Amino acid sequence: DAKTTQPPSMDCAEGRAANLPCNHSTISGNEYVYWYRQIHSQGPQYIIHGLKNNETNEMASLIITEDRKSSTLILPHATLRDTAVYYCIVSWGGKLIFGQGTELSVKP
Amino acid sequence: KAGVTQTPRYLIKTRGQQVTLSCSPISGHRSVSWYQQTPGQGLQFLFEYFSETQRNKGNFPGRFSGRQFSNSRSEMNVSTLELGDSALYLCASSSNTGTDEKLFFGSGTQLSVL
Repeated sequence: DAKTTQPPSMDCAEGRAANLPCNHSTISGNEYVYWYRQIHSQGPQYIIHGLKNNETNEMASLIITEDRKSSTLILPHATLRDTAVYYCIVSWGGKLIFGQGTELSVKP
Repeated sequence: KAGVTQTPRYLIKTRGQQVTLSCSPISGHRSVSWYQQTPGQGLQFLFEYFSETQRNKGNFPGRFSGRQFSNSRSEMNVSTLELGDSALYLCASSSNTGTDEKLFFGSGTQLSVL
């Protein structure tokens, strides 16, 4: 079973920051937090991952709480093309167990 | 680099038949994983292969099998197809150089069982 809890859906206005929360209270010390997204009928796309520290790349930022029991994915300037299902996953060693994810709708 | 390639893109079969799906990983990637996606169950892990050996297996019946070749290409087979096997089958590859592995997914094979 997935070890994460995410809201089933969220809306965001185009151009605004999208903040997607994820709870992973049973995360183990060696497990990473991964974020993937899936646009309809395509394969999931890797966004970002982290262990303890906050991470940033060209797509997004990942904020992990100090106790590592929750995290937030931040899309700084959401566009219509960011409309997708976003999956938060905790894993070690590459085997990913997907939950139901958050369906993000970016609206004009 | 070319991405993960899955063939065919679409497939229609009838109950009782068998099917073989193919996956070519990103060049240099040695790990290949397979996932099944359905509207009701979401994305479910089938199995993972690394260096021609199955390393992890999900909770699927024995009708679902796979293999990996020496060039890292992988195939999965489903025998005695059932209506419930209709799904998007996704393949993902990774370089598997450490414990924080990024998976790169293909576009999937959409299987319809009639």
